[in-house]
Amino acid sequence: QKEVEQNSGPLSVPEGAIASLNCTYSDRGSQSFFWYRQYSGKSPELIMFIYSNGDKEDGRFTAQLNKASQYVSLLIRDSQPSDSATYLCALNFGNEKLTFGTGTRLTIIP
Amino acid sequence: KAGVTQTPRYLIKTRGQQVTLSCSPISGHRSVSWYQQTPGQGLQFLFEYFSETQRNKGNFPGRFSGRQFSNSRSEMNVSTLELGDSALYLCASRDSPSGANVLTFGAGSRLTVL
Repeated sequence: QKEVEQNSGPLSVPEGAIASLNCTYSDRGSQSFFWYRQYSGKSPELIMFIYSNGDKEDGRFTAQLNKASQYVSLLIRDSQPSDSATYLCALNFGNEKLTFGTGTRLTIIP
Repeated sequence: KAGVTQTPRYLIKTRGQQVTLSCSPISGHRSVSWYQQTPGQGLQFLFEYFSETQRNKGNFPGRFSGRQFSNSRSEMNVSTLELGDSALYLCASRDSPSGANVLTFGAGSRLTVL
């Protein structure tokens, strides 16, 4: 069974520091990688996505792919209290379906 | 552009009843996916519809079913409700069922089964 795994946390990071979130996956054929943020009581919203050919930076957020070790990371620079949320990783295993991890709860400490 | 609209937002049912949830996708999106979210299991894929046809299906019992209409609106139905069906049901739409296409989620329908 193809899987996506995330540490459930909570991960606590001081305000202004870099938050690093990881997601490991089981299939080397994965082609698309998505990071969603979900605030408590809300629905997931897309932060960014990358394909298997490279990393991406968007403002304070950077998504990095390590294909050899089969994990994708989300780095949040200059963390703000508003970044406190659950972060969901999702992968496309070479087909149409997106498979989600169970999410990492991030808390930014003022 | 209006987002993904789900109705109802909250509902309470008792065991053995059935429930129908509705989802209107973003205008122009023809693919609608349904997910169940619970604290223990995270987001679990139910099914995806595209052009009124079910394209993909998750590992849920036959009590969970869905359909899509010609205007891309979708409904899901759960029959013979069980306590374990209590969850947030999320609908998401995208242009087409390509793995590279971004899913946009609705606000969800929170179902409580008593």
